[in-house]
Amino acid sequence: AQSVSQHNHHVILSEAASLELGCNYSYGGTVNLFWYVQYPGQHLQLLLKYFSGDPLVKGIKGFEAEFIKSKFSFNLRKPSVQWSDTAEYFCAVTPPARNNDMRFGAGTRLTVKP
Amino acid sequence: GAGVSQTPSNKVTEKGKYVELRCDPISGHTALYWYRQSLGQGPEFLIYFQGTGAADDSGLPNDRFFAVRPEGSVSTLKIQRTERGDSAVYLCASSPQWGGEAFFGQGTRLTVV
Repeated sequence: AQSVSQHNHHVILSEAASLELGCNYSYGGTVNLFWYVQYPGQHLQLLLKYFSGDPLVKGIKGFEAEFIKSKFSFNLRKPSVQWSDTAEYFCAVTPPARNNDMRFGAGTRLTVKP
Repeated sequence: GAGVSQTPSNKVTEKGKYVELRCDPISGHTALYWYRQSLGQGPEFLIYFQGTGAADDSGLPNDRFFAVRPEGSVSTLKIQRTERGDSAVYLCASSPQWGGEAFFGQGTRLTVV
C-alpha cells in the first residue's frame, strides 16, 4: 500500500546536537510534502512545506528539509536542537492529483535533554 | 475566531451511544478536513469538505460515521452506535484553498467505555 514512513519512533538527543528525522513516501508522480510538529498539549502546527522549486526548504525555528525525488525522501534537519524542540514530528504527503488527501506518517517523538 | 476550534475537548460515552463532535474552522477557509489519531499513530484521513459538499469521504471507516457542513463553515462529525475501537483523538483542520497548508484544531478526545 502507498504510504508515508517515518523510520524513527523515538529519538533522544542532548541540547546542541544535530537532528535528522527520516521521511520516505511511496507515491509516484508529483507530491506536496509537509512537516508538522505537535508540542506537548498543543495542536499540530506546520513547520515547513514543499510544493515545487528549490528542494531545500527552510522552515520556522531553524528547521529545514530536503526533498530528494530519486529517493522519495523528505528528511527534516536542524543543526543544533534545543530543549524546547521536544515534541512529536509528523511528515505528511498529498498524493498526485489528490491534494485534499493528506497522508501522515506515524510520527517521531523527539526528546531533547537539557 | 483566531484558530480552528473543536468542541468538546473531551468526550466520554458509553458503548452504543451516539456522539457529535463539532469543528469551527478559521473564517473564510473553504476546505475542512477530519482526521482520527490513535495512540502512537499519525493522523488518519477521514473526510474532506470543499464548501458544503463532502469532496472525499473515502476515509470514513464504516456507515456509523457521518459528517456534515451545511453552511460551508461549521462541521459536525457524527458517530452512531459507538464502539470501544472508536476511542481516539478526532482532529479537524481547515485550509484557505485546496491543497494548501492545513491549520489544525486541538482535537476532541473521545473515549468509549
